[in-house]
Amino acid sequence: ETGVTQSPTHLIKTRGQQVTLRCSSQSGHNTVSWYQQALGQGPQFIFQYYREEENGRGNFPPRFSGLQFPNYSSELNVNALELDDSALYLCASSNTGQNTGELFFGEGSRLTVL
Amino acid sequence: GEDVEQSLFLSVREGDSSVINCTYTDSSSTYLYWYKQEPGAGLQLLTYIFSNMDMKQDQRLTVLLNKKDKHLSLRIADTQTGDSAIYFCAEIPTGGYNKLIFGAGTRLAVHP
Repeated sequence: ETGVTQSPTHLIKTRGQQVTLRCSSQSGHNTVSWYQQALGQGPQFIFQYYREEENGRGNFPPRFSGLQFPNYSSELNVNALELDDSALYLCASSNTGQNTGELFFGEGSRLTVL
Repeated sequence: GEDVEQSLFLSVREGDSSVINCTYTDSSSTYLYWYKQEPGAGLQLLTYIFSNMDMKQDQRLTVLLNKKDKHLSLRIADTQTGDSAIYFCAEIPTGGYNKLIFGAGTRLAVHP
């Protein structure tokens, strides 16, 4: 069974730039969620994708957007980067047919905005 | 509103029991979770409890749920140095689409 994989693991950008982060979901999972974890804090829900459509969104501005592909992999895009966007971005996959709501997390992409 | 609160730090001696506490706000939460995060890593699901249960035991882990007080605890028996990590309590609020609300995490330090 293949776990959740994310790329890149680390990256550095400057203010105003755009970034794309990628996630491959665990085998058999059809739902992908993205979380932002700032230093010293718990993860904050950004949004979730199911069947290639956004299925729930947290309190993040529209410059945070995403995609889900037919193979259930996903991308998180952030435009017009700000210093406060520096964080660990976590992808989690799950299966809507599983009623316990368990999420399986990748190791994250650490973004630094200078 | 949605909020999960945890104490930030706990220090225990190797071999002792650790108890990590959490309070949550949504009384309709169906499941409550404990996740572990080691340095530089993602989150690992440790255990979860269904809201109609008071207690769940899984090897060295015991979860206690007090729905009246909206209080959740995680007890780790015979704590080892490998248990040193950050522990997050999380809930899925009503209509949450598997959207987890996490606490800020409790950093557990295990010393000899």
